[in-house]
Amino acid sequence: GDSVTQTEGLVTLTEGLPVMLNCTYQTIYSNPFLFWYVQHLNESPRLLLKSFTDNKRTEHQGFHATLHKSSSSFHLQKSSAQLSDSALYYCALSGDYQGGRALIFGTGTTVSVSP
Amino acid sequence: ETAVFQTPNYHVTQVGNEVSFNCKQTLGHDTMYWYKQDSKKLLKIMFSYNNKQLIVNETVPRRFSPQSSDKAHLNLRIKSVEPEDSAVYLCASSSGTGLYEQYFGPGTRLTVL
Repeated sequence: GDSVTQTEGLVTLTEGLPVMLNCTYQTIYSNPFLFWYVQHLNESPRLLLKSFTDNKRTEHQGFHATLHKSSSSFHLQKSSAQLSDSALYYCALSGDYQGGRALIFGTGTTVSVSP
Repeated sequence: ETAVFQTPNYHVTQVGNEVSFNCKQTLGHDTMYWYKQDSKKLLKIMFSYNNKQLIVNETVPRRFSPQSSDKAHLNLRIKSVEPEDSAVYLCASSSGTGLYEQYFGPGTRLTVL
């Protein structure tokens, strides 16, 4: 079935350094919709950015990601991490869910930014 | 204010009891969801409800049942709670099914003793 893979469980880095979170997916659909959600401590997940256009860079709040259908990837990047970026990041796919479509979430990557 | 609202915020109960959680959205969406977020932060869909069509994740135990009075409300009932039901239950809504941004409520944290 459809799935999302996030390879890093925890990413720790120093403020000001670049960050990249990996996301690959598998889907039966030829037109995948990919999302990144962010969840800060004691909050609920909220959308960070989304894309359904192949090879087009999407940006929001300093983060960017490009959907690459050829490699089934949607990696999240930021050039300079801030302390406030410490959070749990989920990659999600609008994928096949028991005959319909629903968001399928990856296992999440916790980002911890230190001074 | 337009958002997704959940009650209660927290609930502590004993094994075998019945619990109900409420969810209401004022975003005008037509699809609502229940997710379970476990202690490892894994986020798994339990139910989706759209135009009176319920799609159940086949891995959800039968003691869980969604209840909807209209497209703005989707409650969750657990008939006889088990210790493994301890988790955060997140309600979400979207316009349309699957292709669109989902908005999450603040969650209900359930602790089963």
